[in-house]
Amino acid sequence: GAVVSQHPSRVICKSGTSVKIECRSLDFQATTMFWYRQFPKQSLMLMATSNEGSKATYEQGVEKDKFLINHASLTLSTLTVTSAHPEDSSFYICSASSTEAFFGQGTRLTVV
Amino acid sequence: AQSVAQPEDQVNVAEGNPLTVKCTYSVSGNPYLFWYVQYPNRGLQFLLKYITGDNLVKGSYGFEAEFNKSQTSFHLKKPSALVSDSALYFCAVRGTYSSASKIIFGSGTRLSIRP
Repeated sequence: GAVVSQHPSRVICKSGTSVKIECRSLDFQATTMFWYRQFPKQSLMLMATSNEGSKATYEQGVEKDKFLINHASLTLSTLTVTSAHPEDSSFYICSASSTEAFFGQGTRLTVV
Repeated sequence: AQSVAQPEDQVNVAEGNPLTVKCTYSVSGNPYLFWYVQYPNRGLQFLLKYITGDNLVKGSYGFEAEFNKSQTSFHLKKPSALVSDSALYFCAVRGTYSSASKIIFGSGTRLSIRP
């Protein structure tokens, strides 16, 4: 199946700093990628839809200025958590899809 | 708007017994349905999908799912459970069969298989 690579798998950062998470589609071009957030023992919450060459579409309640998404190429989307706070600590997962969605390995973000 | 419901937070089954993980959906138009599995601290792995055709869909690791339009259900099944099947399972729906169409997930069901 198609491979989506997400990096880093784990990151610990200090409160107030910014963290960038990369999502790469390795063997197909993805004009659309999705970013999800998962809290412990909960489902995946769609944060935003990343569109190549245009602005991302954010779900209701997700702060655009807090979670910056860039999709500059057909194989790379990035999510930057700006001015991170402890409540941003979570598991972030990206996906790229053709017919079904393929998921990255996820990034465990811990803000201390 | 599309939605997915997984009524069971947890399902416990003895190894070797059949298992069922329930899922119901709501979508306008034709549903495109998926099952994914998640192991601890990992991303999601695709198991199977229903797009059209036979109501019984076969997927990875011996899993299958039955699409029932009248009951708006897409339950995941396996004839004989393995301990290694223990994981978190998500049912998902997509409103259109397009790569740009977002996928909405159910709340997840934790499957626990006891030896």
